[in-house]
Amino acid sequence: KQEVTQIPAALSVPEGENLVLNCSFTDSAIYNLQWFRQDPGKGLTSLLLIQSSQREQTSGRLNASLDKSSGRSTLYIAASQPGDSATYLCAVGPLNQAGTALIFGKGTTLSVSS
Amino acid sequence: SQTIHQWPATLVQPVGSPLSLECTVEGTSNPNLYWYRQAAGRGLQLLFYSVGIGQISSEVPQNLSASRPQDRQFILSSKKLLLSDSGFYLCAWSASKGYTFGSGTRLTVV
Repeated sequence: KQEVTQIPAALSVPEGENLVLNCSFTDSAIYNLQWFRQDPGKGLTSLLLIQSSQREQTSGRLNASLDKSSGRSTLYIAASQPGDSATYLCAVGPLNQAGTALIFGKGTTLSVSS
Repeated sequence: SQTIHQWPATLVQPVGSPLSLECTVEGTSNPNLYWYRQAAGRGLQLLFYSVGIGQISSEVPQNLSASRPQDRQFILSSKKLLLSDSGFYLCAWSASKGYTFGSGTRLTVV
């Protein structure tokens, strides 16, 4: 059974720092991996989607990498800003089950101070 | 463009009352649809998913049920709510560009 773990559970950094959020999964047979952002009391906003044949995706100050062989993904945030404060969720989609649901980690809650 | 609508945003219901949460998708056909619940400290838990009209798969035994009466409509229901049904309920749909989530319904059972 696929399990997704995110470390650390919480992270506090000063504005301007570069930071890395980690995600690991137990079964490397995945269809895709998706990073989301969740603000308190709100729904999920998709940040980056990495298909299983890809190794990384970039959007603005965000870069996500995927290493299926080691069962790991990282989300790199450059030059952090207070507006980046939120919970970041990693989720994987099982291989050969396209259309079935994502399995989520419990998230990393990021706080960026000004 | 594709959009997903979910309502209501918040709901306070007494124990034993019925529940109906609705989710609709626009701008796509035959989407895969999902209901998730997010409880404090437990992360996102998949409740139901549907790959077509009338096709519902349940991931966990519980006090809830789901229905898909139309291609782009997904409904989460309960006949009698329990305190443990409190949580944040999220609807989602999937496509080649990944999963898109609705804005969620905060359900408090009192």
